[in-house]
Amino acid sequence: EPEVTQTPSHQVTQMGQEVILRCVPISNHLYFYWYRQILGQKVEFLVSFYNNEISEKSEIFDDQFSVERPDGSNFTLKIRSTKLEDSAMYFCASRQGRGGTQPQHFGDGTRLSIL
Amino acid sequence: QKEVEQNSGPLSVPEGAIASLNCTYSDRGSQSFFWYRQYSGKSPELIMFIYSNGDKEDGRFTAQLNKASQYVSLLIRDSQPSDSATYLCAVRPTNAGKSTFGDGTTLTVKP
Repeated sequence: EPEVTQTPSHQVTQMGQEVILRCVPISNHLYFYWYRQILGQKVEFLVSFYNNEISEKSEIFDDQFSVERPDGSNFTLKIRSTKLEDSAMYFCASRQGRGGTQPQHFGDGTRLSIL
Repeated sequence: QKEVEQNSGPLSVPEGAIASLNCTYSDRGSQSFFWYRQYSGKSPELIMFIYSNGDKEDGRFTAQLNKASQYVSLLIRDSQPSDSATYLCAVRPTNAGKSTFGDGTTLTVKP
C-alpha cells in the first residue's frame, strides 16, 4: 500500500538554526499538509498546499515557516530560525483530491528536538 | 468552547468488552469525520471515516454520526489489548482541506 514517507525520523538542531523537514506524499495525491504535535498535546494543523501554493495556514505558521514542493515528489517544511518551542513531532499528510470525504494519510513523522 | 471535544480519559475496559469513544464538534457545517488511532510516539493511523448520518461498520469498529446533535462516536467491539492506544477524532469543515483534531481519548484494554 502506498504511503507517505518522511525524513529524517529524528532531527536535533541548535536554537536559531534553520531546519528542513522532508516528505514524499503518495504519488497520485494532490493535497498536502503539515501538522505538528507537541509532546502530550493534540495534533495541530500548520498548513495546507495545493496546486503549488498555500491554500490555508494556521496562526502557528508564521514568517519563520515556509513550505515548498521543489520537484514532482518532495514536499518540504522549512523553519528558518528555530526556537525551543518548535520542538515537536511534525507530520506530513496527503489527500487524493477534491471532496471533503477523502481521508488524509499521515507519514510516520519527524521528531524535531531544539537544543 | 473547543472546536472538537472528546470524552476525557483514560478509558479502561476488559478484554472482550465494548469500548465507546465519543466526540462532539462545534462547526455545524462540518462535512467529514475521521477516527485515528495513535500509539505512543507514532503517527495517527486512520481507522474509519464517516460523512453521512447513521452507522458505518468495518469489522470490529462502528462509527456513528448524528449531525443534528453534532456528535460522532466510535464503538470497538470485542476489545483486544492491542487496541490500547489514544483515539483521535478529527473533523473537516465544508470545503476546507484541513482537519481539526480533538485532544484524544486514551483507551486501555486489560487482559
